[in-house]
Amino acid sequence: ETGVTQSPTHLIKTRGQQVTLRCSSQSGHNTVSWYQQALGQGPQFIFQYYREEENGRGNFPPRFSGLQFPNYSSELNVNALELDDSALYLCASSLRGRSNEQYFGPGTRLTVT
Amino acid sequence: GQQLNQSPQSMFIQEGEDVSMNCTSSSIFNTWLWYKQDPGEGPVLLIALYKAGELTSNGRLTAQFGITRKDSFLNISASIPSDVGIYFCAGDYTGNQFYFGTGTSLTVIP
Repeated sequence: ETGVTQSPTHLIKTRGQQVTLRCSSQSGHNTVSWYQQALGQGPQFIFQYYREEENGRGNFPPRFSGLQFPNYSSELNVNALELDDSALYLCASSLRGRSNEQYFGPGTRLTVT
Repeated sequence: GQQLNQSPQSMFIQEGEDVSMNCTSSSIFNTWLWYKQDPGEGPVLLIALYKAGELTSNGRLTAQFGITRKDSFLNISASIPSDVGIYFCAGDYTGNQFYFGTGTSLTVIP
């Protein structure tokens, strides 16, 4: 059984650019949630995907978007990057309706300069 | 968004001591979770609580779902060096959107 994996590990982008982060869910899990964790803070829910559709969204602007693929892997896309987007981006996978049993990946550290 | 306040913000304790931390919310939650995060890793679930007043243990860890449903507590008994890390509470009332606390950083001095 493989765990949640994320790529890349680290990323440096310039303000105004676009970025795509990737997540492979744990084997058997059909739901993926994305979180943003600023330095020294707890994770903040961005959105959740189930059956390739968004299934709940936190307080993030539309320039944060996502995709889920038939194999349940997922992407997080952020357009028009801002300095405050610098953070650790975590994805977590679970079974539908079992978000309390979600498993987190190691995260992607994004730095915006 | 929801505000979850954790206290204390940080703790420095001697190995073998017991630890207590808590989390309070401005809203009622149906589920409370406690996570531990080590540097460079994602959070790992420690304990899940589903009912007001529930008391659940996982080894040396014990957590409680507050009666008001607006708070939760985590206790660690007989701390050891590997308990070092950041502990987060998280609450949910929708079934799919968890709100995380600000974290409690624990340092265990051998």
